[in-house]
Amino acid sequence: AQKITQTQPGMFVQEKEAVTLDCTYDTSDPSYGLFWYKQPSSGEMIFLIYQGSYDQQNATEGRYSLNFQKARKSANLVISASQLGDSAMYFCAMREGAFSGGYNKLIFGAGTRLAVHP
Amino acid sequence: DAMVIQNPRYQVTQFGKPVTLSCSQTLNHNVMYWYQQKSSQAPKLLFHYYDKDFNNEADTPDNFQSRRPNTSFCFLDIRSPGLGDAAMYLCATSRAAAGDGSTDTQYFGPGTRLTVL
Repeated sequence: AQKITQTQPGMFVQEKEAVTLDCTYDTSDPSYGLFWYKQPSSGEMIFLIYQGSYDQQNATEGRYSLNFQKARKSANLVISASQLGDSAMYFCAMREGAFSGGYNKLIFGAGTRLAVHP
Repeated sequence: DAMVIQNPRYQVTQFGKPVTLSCSQTLNHNVMYWYQQKSSQAPKLLFHYYDKDFNNEADTPDNFQSRRPNTSFCFLDIRSPGLGDAAMYLCATSRAAAGDGSTDTQYFGPGTRLTVL
């Protein structure tokens, strides 16, 4: 079974509008971490935002926010006021288990390609 | 700025000719990872180092080896590249510390795009 599911292979958004990229996950571990990365066509994976399973509030980083719905096991990324430079592939990833210090194996989703139109 | 650096950005090699990709970091992170990413796919973890301890993923081919001579540097050696090894190779690092409010976020380098002729 897929541990991380990103159901939108591609998304289009108009510049300056908000967009939501979906991510659902599957784990029976009460401790986990969720990450979003952006990968432009240049190839670099850029860390955007992190949400821990016990975090009480939804994570926010500038124009990025994470809509974390624990009961639904979803961690959707919301990008407000889209810019042309936001056009990229976006990956949702999960670390199962608590961060106990050490190795962190990420499980990646298949990614969503976002295109921002002027 | 602290960062993860990969050299070269583009590497062309011939079928069967050994190639080495390098990664360096100024973040002073304990853990370094190597990923392989093929077109339109998610990154696939090959192996990682936790300090000097090497950890191979079960499905990583023997053709792929790694060296970490010190905290800052890590190398990926492909002993006999095949056409199927053409991919983007990503290096990442993370902290190995807990209890201090830190997270285990992985920070990636810009990648090396390998072409096999």
